[in-house]
Amino acid sequence: NAGVTQTPKFRVLKTGQSMTLLCAQDMNHEYMYWYRQDPGMGLRLIHYSVGEGTTAKGEVPDGYNVSRLKKQNFLLGLESAAPSQTSVYFCASSNSLGYNEQFFGPGTRLTVL
Amino acid sequence: DAKTTQPTSMDCAEGRAANLPCNHSTISGNEYVYWYRQIHSQGPQYIIHGLKNNETNEMASLIITEDRKSSTLILPHATLRDTAVYYCIVLNAGGTSYGKLTFGQGTILTVHP
Repeated sequence: NAGVTQTPKFRVLKTGQSMTLLCAQDMNHEYMYWYRQDPGMGLRLIHYSVGEGTTAKGEVPDGYNVSRLKKQNFLLGLESAAPSQTSVYFCASSNSLGYNEQFFGPGTRLTVL
Repeated sequence: DAKTTQPTSMDCAEGRAANLPCNHSTISGNEYVYWYRQIHSQGPQYIIHGLKNNETNEMASLIITEDRKSSTLILPHATLRDTAVYYCIVLNAGGTSYGKLTFGQGTILTVHP
């Protein structure tokens, strides 16, 4: 099992550009999450999903959109990137019974110039 | 969810036990204590969780005081690979929490040769 994978690993954007981060998990987990981590800080929840076709806002959702069209994938979109979105983005997944025991991906390091 | 307080940093000699404290004096009866760690540049990793009984798994032991206002994560034989930031998280395992983990600053554990 690959666990949780994230694509791409690194990306540099210019202000105003758009991009999509892809998260995939092969553990048949119901729940999936997107977090961001800024330097010297803990992770903050952006959006999450409790099942295919559902999404919900987390702590810092502004400027991001998400979609969960397939159970195994959770996409995070930036429609118009801003320098404040420079961060490391982590995806995680968990099953419905142990949703606080989350499995994290390796992260995507995004820089917005 | 209850607020947690952890020391900013701790040191430990390789092969010795590492004892990481966490204060959560406002914890309520249905809130669990979770521990995660994050090794440099990697995604967080779930370690262990408990409600009121002491817990042990292959990674660590969790000791929760009888009044549940504090807990200690014990790594019995620390290795250099245990150098990481350790996060203590308290949250309700049910209801509408849906695994919305809140990561604070954590404790930076440095294991020395």
